Amino acid sequence: DAKTTQPTSMDCAEGRAANLPCNHSTISGNEYVYWYRQIHSQGPQYIIHGLKNNETNEMASLIITEDRKSSTLILPHATLRDTAVYYCIVPSGGYQKVTFGIGTKLQVIP
Amino acid sequence: EPEVTQTPSHQVTQMGQEVILRCVPISNHLYFYWYRQILGQKVEFLVSFYNNEISEKSEIFDDQFSVERPDGSNFTLKIRSTKLEDSAMYFCASSGAGGPGNEQFFGPGTRLTVL
Repeated sequence: DAKTTQPTSMDCAEGRAANLPCNHSTISGNEYVYWYRQIHSQGPQYIIHGLKNNETNEMASLIITEDRKSSTLILPHATLRDTAVYYCIVPSGGYQKVTFGIGTKLQVIP
Repeated sequence: EPEVTQTPSHQVTQMGQEVILRCVPISNHLYFYWYRQILGQKVEFLVSFYNNEISEKSEIFDDQFSVERPDGSNFTLKIRSTKLEDSAMYFCASSGAGGPGNEQFFGPGTRLTVL
């Protein structure tokens, strides 16, 4: 999998937008960017993925730079339940597995 | 909303015993996975399964591990002779397809404690 770099931890005030950055400078043209999260003691949860264009769903938005070397996951109105570890993943090969790194521990503060 | 389920939620066993962890993937999914997470560590891929055979496995998935889809709904992970270091959360996941743009849906996990 292409290497990704994320900050170890971030804080966000409840109700504000949480912007989680990810660098993936070695990404190749046909590789997707995926975001998952893991709330404490729960199974990982898929959030969103994209290739080139920005994407939005009911959970989040994904902004991918034009050169595709970095992306930002945006949680528009963070709640306490969004406190979790967020993983930016660029799978390669057969897409048969998700390779989790350390991720970003997001703490939403009341 | 369809979801992946796993049983039991917590399994305690003695070292050397066999355990079977069970999963019911989302009904129309075709690809199935097992991952594990040792306490305080990263989630690690164990194995993927498609068309009734293993499609990829990690170094962790040695001869002590096996997977099976015994019927149209269940997907199991068997550990033949458990070791202390097998203590971990085990997550099952499924996806509709294995290609790009196909997200994996994870179950809530089984906590395995080997004494």
